[in-house]
Amino acid sequence: GAGVSQSPRYKVAKRGQDVALRCDPISGHVSLFWYQQALGQGPEFLTYFQNEAQLDKSGLPSDRFFAERPEGSVSTLKIQRTQQEDSAVYLCASSLDQGRAFFGQGTRLTVV
Amino acid sequence: QQPVQSPQAVILREGEDAVINCSSSKALYSVHWYRQKHGEAPVFLMILLKGGEQKGHDKISASFNEKKQQSSLYLTASQLSYSGTYFCGTEKISQAGTALIFGKGTTLSVSS
Repeated sequence: GAGVSQSPRYKVAKRGQDVALRCDPISGHVSLFWYQQALGQGPEFLTYFQNEAQLDKSGLPSDRFFAERPEGSVSTLKIQRTQQEDSAVYLCASSLDQGRAFFGQGTRLTVV
Repeated sequence: QQPVQSPQAVILREGEDAVINCSSSKALYSVHWYRQKHGEAPVFLMILLKGGEQKGHDKISASFNEKKQQSSLYLTASQLSYSGTYFCGTEKISQAGTALIFGKGTTLSVSS
């Protein structure tokens, strides 16, 4: 596709429910990043892939968060047993190398 | 390792100038600048790769002082379209790879 695509755009989950957020990066982009952005804050780093390898997951806030990119393209961020503090916009970005990053529109997750 | 931005917010009239600063306690190898409008994805502005490098397009430019571990974004003769939140991003380099880490952002409001 022309840009980074994320789905769904909006997700409302009941507390305790599991959710899966999808990111379709720009074709050929090696690096893929996930960020969590709370209202009025900057994007907080969650995790980083280079192709299918998850090189850095130091930003994942708890073991309820899990990300994968099995074929080095589409990535899924999964949150188990969602909590209210998980409510945020989840941004995905991809880049060809360590240069310009292209962001998706994000998924706004609301946990009720 | 998160870069520190200042000021947190700037209010301008059209035509006025602004400077946004970004500093890091760690050595900087590159600095990325992005702008995010409300409800939209961050959009790439520019990347500075070498200490002392300056870049710009239109009336937005940036400089990178490697020794001082800081970068500044200059907005000259601001336009209404410049309103948004500006983020600087720096590279977190580890054995695991290179991840892009953002500051908390500087919100710029330009009025007529």
